[in-house]
Amino acid sequence: GEDVEQSLFLSVREGDSSVINCTYTDSSSTYLYWYKQEPGAGLQLLTYIFSNMDMKQDQRLTVLLNKKDKHLSLRIADTQTGDSAIYFCAEGAGNMLTFGGGTRLMVKP
Amino acid sequence: DAGVTQSPTHLIKTRGQQVTLRCSPKSGHDTVSWYQQALGQGPQFIFQYYEEEERQRGNFPDRFSGHQFPNYSSELNVNALLLGDSALYLCASSHGLAFSNEQFFGPGTRLTVL
Repeated sequence: GEDVEQSLFLSVREGDSSVINCTYTDSSSTYLYWYKQEPGAGLQLLTYIFSNMDMKQDQRLTVLLNKKDKHLSLRIADTQTGDSAIYFCAEGAGNMLTFGGGTRLMVKP
Repeated sequence: DAGVTQSPTHLIKTRGQQVTLRCSPKSGHDTVSWYQQALGQGPQFIFQYYEEEERQRGNFPDRFSGHQFPNYSSELNVNALLLGDSALYLCASSHGLAFSNEQFFGPGTRLTVL
């Protein structure tokens, strides 16, 4: 079955870059996603990458996909205190998303 | 545009009871998916509705059922509640069934089963 794994916690200083990693198992995934969840809020889609791409950049966000190793990463440049949240990667086949357990990002001033 | 709305925001039930959660999709969206997010975990897909029919279903028992209305709003029903059903229930809407369609999530309904 599908399984998506992430490290639990990441702490960085304001202004540094953050890199959140994710591994997945379902090679049939068409899209891979990064969502952000702030306390008491639903999930906000940050970015996604099609499975035949290696990299996607969107302002401060860079997504890298290593399809051979089934490894996905999200780099946030110039991390701000407002970036503190839980980040989920998810793989999609059809409209069904399979989420990882989430990485809590703490940004220290 | 109100985005995806869910009601109620919080709910407390006891074991064995039944509960109904409601979701209104974002304007222009016709597909609704439901997810269960237990504390400290990622969301798990329950099922998806399109054209008033269940189209896909995750690994959840028949105690979980749903409905979609002609105006695209949806309900999630859970019968014979268990303590383990305590979670944040998220609704997501999208337009159609294409893989690339972005799913917009609501703020969720937090269900506590005592």
